[in-house]
Amino acid sequence: GQQLNQSPQSMFIQEGEDVSMNCTSSSIFNTWLWYKQDPGEGPVLLIALYKAGELTSNGRLTAQFGITRKDSFLNISASIPSDVGIYFCAGRSGGSNYKLTFGKGTLLTVNP
Amino acid sequence: NAGVTQTPKFQVLKTGQSMTLQCAQDMNHEYMSWYRQDPGMGLRLIHYSVGAGITDQGEVPNGYNVSRSTTEDFPLRLLSAAPSQTSVYFCASSYGTGGDEQYFGPGTRLTVT
Repeated sequence: GQQLNQSPQSMFIQEGEDVSMNCTSSSIFNTWLWYKQDPGEGPVLLIALYKAGELTSNGRLTAQFGITRKDSFLNISASIPSDVGIYFCAGRSGGSNYKLTFGKGTLLTVNP
Repeated sequence: NAGVTQTPKFQVLKTGQSMTLQCAQDMNHEYMSWYRQDPGMGLRLIHYSVGAGITDQGEVPNGYNVSRSTTEDFPLRLLSAAPSQTSVYFCASSYGTGGDEQYFGPGTRLTVT
């Protein structure tokens, strides 16, 4: 099946620093999604991307749909302690494929 | 709207027991899905449905059954629980049938002894 490689697996940063993480795929996706999961909770959708090259922001978060359609990036600017959690990328190849494929997540720790 | 609700929140089963995990959504979403989350494995799709009366298998369907008799409900059945099914289970739904922009429930933590 399709696989997503998400990196890094974990990050330890100081409050105020910027963060970057990315996902790559061996196959083309038509949709890229970024989720955040807090401990004991379900994932929450942060950003959805539908077009190659698209750059979308949600507050301090910015995500990009790679022009090759095989990758996506998430940046968090000026991190704060509540940014702590696991960030997942997810992709869908589109058409009659109704399944989302998830990356294994990036665990973000922010030291105040 | 309550969004996506799941019950129970925690469950302990003995090997061989059966149970049903409940999932409901009040957003009139066509697409619903079940995932399991294991440490270091991310979220893996078990079954999904693009509408009432339609279900299909995901990545890890063995040992699980689903049905979709209404738009609102999508229960997940474990017919004979095994320790390998110890996991956190998430139900999700989305408006379109494509399965994009899925909204997740709070999860059910299942332990099989």
